[in-house]
Amino acid sequence: QSVLTQPPSASGTPGQRVTISCSGSSSNIGSNTVNWYQQLPGTAPKLLIYSNNQRPSGVPDRFSGSKSGTSASLAISGLQSEDEADYYCAAWDDSLNGDNYVFGTGTKVTVL
Amino acid sequence: QITLKESGPTLVKPTQTLTLTCTFSGFSLSTSGVGVGWIRQPPGKALEWLALIYWDDDKRYSPSLKSRLTITKDTSKNQVVLTMTNMDPVDTATYYCAHTGIAAAGGAFDIWGQGTMVTVSS
Repeated sequence: QSVLTQPPSASGTPGQRVTISCSGSSSNIGSNTVNWYQQLPGTAPKLLIYSNNQRPSGVPDRFSGSKSGTSASLAISGLQSEDEADYYCAAWDDSLNGDNYVFGTGTKVTVL
Repeated sequence: QITLKESGPTLVKPTQTLTLTCTFSGFSLSTSGVGVGWIRQPPGKALEWLALIYWDDDKRYSPSLKSRLTITKDTSKNQVVLTMTNMDPVDTATYYCAHTGIAAAGGAFDIWGQGTMVTVSS
């Protein structure tokens, strides 16, 4: 099961700001960078944020990431209908059993 | 332009071994810092990382599935193969392969294949 905890759902009206949290531990978020993925319905995930707060080319600056301690957040400002998707945080986990790339539980964002 | 595409059986029986192939283009798996990973997603559930192979043949596996997984690469064919033994109905999922590059996106999976659905049933 996922070791990174996210709220199951989040919602907002067009133009609003929505924030998604991702809670981990010292072995993952606390010691490694966080990535965020967006998964539109019926499609493959897409990298949205890497290294905590970096946007790949082509990702709108409405999306921003941050990290503090063992938690991270993704913010979507100026929410748009096309932002309706599932969002996953991820990070490497330096467990005793070896490196493990762990994903969050996922958050479904609904645009009201 | 980097692309990846997964291929393999859509249906396997319990206890069988699954073999999936990721065929890619637009990069070389002999380039320093480059890797290809496998991630799966059961219907309606979250993503789960399975394995990763780097340009230097360094291999990483999910600790919970390590005993069942083998990842290999064929640089000349631009392919990465994942085998998973002793398949069970709980392994029913869409399986994705994805590119990673330390230089490109800090080691994140920046380009994904379209995924291939695998059902485990007798």
